[in-house]
Amino acid sequence: GNSVTQMEGPVTLSEEAFLTINCTYTATGYPSLFWYVQYPGEGLQLLLKATKADDKGSNKGFEATYRKETTSFHLEKGSVQVSDSAVYFCALTSYGQNFVFGPGTRLSVLP
Amino acid sequence: EAGVAQSPRYKIIEKRQSVAFWCNPISGHATLYWYQQILGQGPKLLIQFQNNGVVDDSQLPKDRFSAERLKGVDSTLKIQPAKLEDSAVYLCASSLVLAGGKGIQYFGAGTRLSVL
Repeated sequence: GNSVTQMEGPVTLSEEAFLTINCTYTATGYPSLFWYVQYPGEGLQLLLKATKADDKGSNKGFEATYRKETTSFHLEKGSVQVSDSAVYFCALTSYGQNFVFGPGTRLSVLP
Repeated sequence: EAGVAQSPRYKIIEKRQSVAFWCNPISGHATLYWYQQILGQGPKLLIQFQNNGVVDDSQLPKDRFSAERLKGVDSTLKIQPAKLEDSAVYLCASSLVLAGGKGIQYFGAGTRLSVL
């Protein structure tokens, strides 16, 4: 079945540092890939998505590129802010299959 | 546009008691999902509805969990009787039905359940 693997957290960075959170997947067919973010005490919010190979999703300074050859969808941001502190979930869905979420990576950004 | 509404936000019960959660999806979203999110883990799908019919409940512990969406709009999830391991955040999500696959899911804030 489909599955998602994320780098273990927590990740602690200083403000303005570069962020990478790794995500790799196993899926049948041609999945769509997503990053969701969960701020403290809130539900999950869609951060960005990509629906086919080589697509780049971007939002709020975050980017991720759908790499079919490496089955990866790594999340990056050039300069993190304290307000980016949250838990980040990589997820996928393919036709006829439900969403599968990774375990989440907690990011803490220090001022 | 109003988001997915859930209530209550928090609930504390003792084991063997029963509890119910409510969800009102985004207007016009035919698909509704209930997820269980245990601390430190990603959400796990419990049940998916399309309109008022169940599409997938393969991971719902049916001996104690039940869910309904009688009029194809809001939904309730019930646990009876609760066990300690049911302590989690219960998330509701909704989406449009799009041709060729599943639409983006929009999540509510969740209900945090503590079973003592």
